[in-house]
This record gives sequence, C-alpha cells and structure tokens, in this order.
Amino acid sequence: AQSVAQPEDQVNVAEGNPLTVKCTYSVSGNPYLFWYVQYPNRGLQFLLKYITGDNLVKGSYGFEAEFNKSQTSFHLKKPSALVSDSALYFCAVRDMSLTGGGNKLTFGTGTQLKVEL
Amino acid sequence: GAGVSQSPSNKVTEKGKDVELRCDPISGHTALYWYRQSLGQGLEFLIYFQGNSAPDKSGLPSDRFSAERTGGSVSTLTIQRTQQEDSAVYLCASSPGRVGETQYFGPGTRLLVL
Repeated sequence: AQSVAQPEDQVNVAEGNPLTVKCTYSVSGNPYLFWYVQYPNRGLQFLLKYITGDNLVKGSYGFEAEFNKSQTSFHLKKPSALVSDSALYFCAVRDMSLTGGGNKLTFGTGTQLKVEL
Repeated sequence: GAGVSQSPSNKVTEKGKDVELRCDPISGHTALYWYRQSLGQGLEFLIYFQGNSAPDKSGLPSDRFSAERTGGSVSTLTIQRTQQEDSAVYLCASSPGRVGETQYFGPGTRLLVL
C-alpha cells in the first residue's frame, strides 16, 4: 500500500523568510511524487512533480522540492515566502510498481501555510 | 475547454434524495478521476476511467455511489439515498492518460446533505 504523511497541520512563516512544508511517503516500489496547492473554495492546482532524474524539482510560483530516497521525503520549499502563498498544500504519491489503477494518487492530509507580514 | 469544469458548484439536498454531479474533463484527456475531500478525511480516491477500459471502482465507499462516463468525455457521479456523511467536496481530475502524468483538477462540487 502507498501512503503519505504531512506531519504539520499548519506552518506559520514571516513574509520574506524561507518556508518548508514537510512530506514523507511510503511505497513498495519507486514513487511518483506531487505537490498541489488549494486556495479557499478552489480546486487543487498543480505545483510540481518528481518522476525521475534530478532530485531537486522546480515548479510554479518559485516553489521547489527535493526528493530524498533514503529519508523517503519530498519536502516543499521556497526561499522567500509571500503573503499570497498562504493556502492549503497537499503532497501526493503514486507507486510506480503498481500495475493497473492508472494514476490514482494517495494524498496527505494537507498542511495549512500561513504567511504573515 | 481550458480546464476541468464541474457542475453544480454547490448542492444542498435532503437526506435520502439522489444527486448527480457532473464533470467535463480537459479536451483530449483520456483519463478521468473522482476524489472526495471531507473535513478530517483529506482527499480520497473514488473512481477512475481510462478510455474504453472498465473503470476502477475500488474507492467507491458504498453501492449508493456510481459513476459513468459517456463517449469518453463527460462523467457523472451519482449518489443515491444521500446520507449526512456524504457531505463533502467532490473533485474531478483529468490527465492525458499515461502513467506519471499530472492530474488537473476542477473546482469541485460542494455537497451538503441536510
């Protein structure tokens, strides 16, 4: 079975400071990993993904994430947070070794990011 | 279309009534997914369609839930005899259909069962 853990329900950071939103995963094989962001009353917006290759993945709005296989982590980072980054962030995983079932994703419970002035 | 669209955006119904939720995927996307987002439950997979293949229904929580996809495009999620615990945001996503590809989500339908 595949699973995702986002250990922090909420992360608070001051504008201009770096931010990190944590994600760890568990899969049988190799993972596909995704980050999505959800603004109030909106659907999920894709930020970035790791499929293969370079462990550091760059995505939309200045976000990046680093795949760490030994720690089974895929933490989301941004060097300088903006108030407009305040939203709910979801990490998701799919086990590459799974056959069938298409791309169905397993999501973490979400981390609320609050960026304050 | 430019993105995944869903209707209605909000639905209030009485316990025991049936509801239908609609999803229009991105044009050309062969894969379509339904997820449910509940308070305290996070996002859970419900059902997956890929082209003309039999759908993966492994996430449907009970036989009151069903979905169909007509002509490989529009999908309808039907909940029969709704219960209060069905209250949630129902999200639809589509992707081009190859493994590892990004799923693009619609804005969701917020369902409230009174």
